[in-house]
Amino acid sequence: GAVVSQHPSWVICKSGTSVKIECRSLDFQATTMFWYRQFPKQSLMLMATSNEGSKATYEQGVEKDKFLINHASLTLSTLTVTSAHPEDSSFYICSARDDVSSYEQYFGPGTRLTVT
Amino acid sequence: GNSVTQMEGPVTLSEEAFLTINCTYTATGYPSLFWYVQYPGEGLQLLLKATKADDKGSNKGFEATYRKETTSFHLEKGSVQVSDSAVYFCALSDQGTYKYIFGTGTRLKVLA
Repeated sequence: GAVVSQHPSWVICKSGTSVKIECRSLDFQATTMFWYRQFPKQSLMLMATSNEGSKATYEQGVEKDKFLINHASLTLSTLTVTSAHPEDSSFYICSARDDVSSYEQYFGPGTRLTVT
Repeated sequence: GNSVTQMEGPVTLSEEAFLTINCTYTATGYPSLFWYVQYPGEGLQLLLKATKADDKGSNKGFEATYRKETTSFHLEKGSVQVSDSAVYFCALSDQGTYKYIFGTGTRLKVLA
């Protein structure tokens, strides 16, 4: 089955530093990936749509200069949280869409970011 | 716009009890519907899905039927186990953009 990985699974960083999170589709190509954010005991909120070879599309209210997205290949998208602050602490989940057959999204296991 | 409404939790049941988690949706066209499960500290796992009206998705004893007339996709299980304790999310896939819209999630706790 389709597998999506994320790295790292958890990260702790100091306020003001930047953190990069990787999302990989392991056994299929994905021209489109999505990044979600989940606060404790809440639902997933779509942050942005990552498009291979072009700029990401951000949802309303998401700062594109703070959450940099790069989708350089058909199997890899990265999310960089720049100048992180404690309020950026959250669970970040990516998904990759199967653009060939089902258009279904396959979710990664998530990355827990803690900013101290 | 499209939306998904789930019953609020938490839902607490005894082992072997019958489970229903209600989910209704608002959407244009014919979205695909999903139930995902999230265990503590983990990502989302697809539990079941249905892609057209009257389809029934099923997996691990869970079932849900795509009801277009009532715009519902209620999750049911005849006999829950302690290991079913998790958060369950109902979601739809927008027919035009393929973006997923999630409900707020329902926490299920099953007691032995």
